[in-house]
Amino acid sequence: EVQLVESGGGLVQPGGSLRLSCAASGFTFSTYWMSWVRQAPGKGLEWVANIKQDGSEKSYVDSVKGRFTISRDNAKNSLYLQMNTLRAEDTAVYYCARDSSTWPATFDFWGQGTLVTVSS
Amino acid sequence: QSALTQPPSASGSPGQSVTISCTGTSSDVGGYNYVSWYQQHPGKAPKLMIYEVSKRPSGVPDRFSGSKSGNTASLTVSGLQAEDEADYYCSSYAGSNSLIFGGGTKLTVL
Repeated sequence: EVQLVESGGGLVQPGGSLRLSCAASGFTFSTYWMSWVRQAPGKGLEWVANIKQDGSEKSYVDSVKGRFTISRDNAKNSLYLQMNTLRAEDTAVYYCARDSSTWPATFDFWGQGTLVTVSS
Repeated sequence: QSALTQPPSASGSPGQSVTISCTGTSSDVGGYNYVSWYQQHPGKAPKLMIYEVSKRPSGVPDRFSGSKSGNTASLTVSGLQAEDEADYYCSSYAGSNSLIFGGGTKLTVL
């Protein structure tokens, strides 16, 4: 059974940092693109970042470029999102999502999400 | 990049069909056959319902179907059931390994 379990969310002050983790199990993690998708309270979904199977390619939504860094450790079946210089508008539930094995375009499994709140 | 355009709401009675549209540009929806649709119930994670415009993952009822014409994709739910009431989001590949979502449509089963 595919499982994605996020952790690391919490309350952080504006300008602060947070590192999210996603533990994957039930599939061969190293063979899939992976993504982070967020959802602000009461709002829609927003793709944040993705990373290729071997970590050689990473892409970000414009609003987080230069502040967020996606990474993965295939030996630990884990996905990460380092979030720096956080802003109030980064407040959201952050989902880890399994992307395609061939093309980064389809999220077939999602974690339960972890809430990040940026507030003073 | 602006979100794909979806109607904020849609509704139908049990047994009826409803279609939700998702309009983008030639740089996303119109340029690639990588449109997906997700269902999200309150407080839950999204669930993949349609991928690559019209393909259904295993376990998704065939009441759900997808299509695309030009820059607009559509999700049709036939034989509406109470459990279909949820938010629905479209997404599209948008080039350079990026993706974009629609704003979401709240489907109400009357």
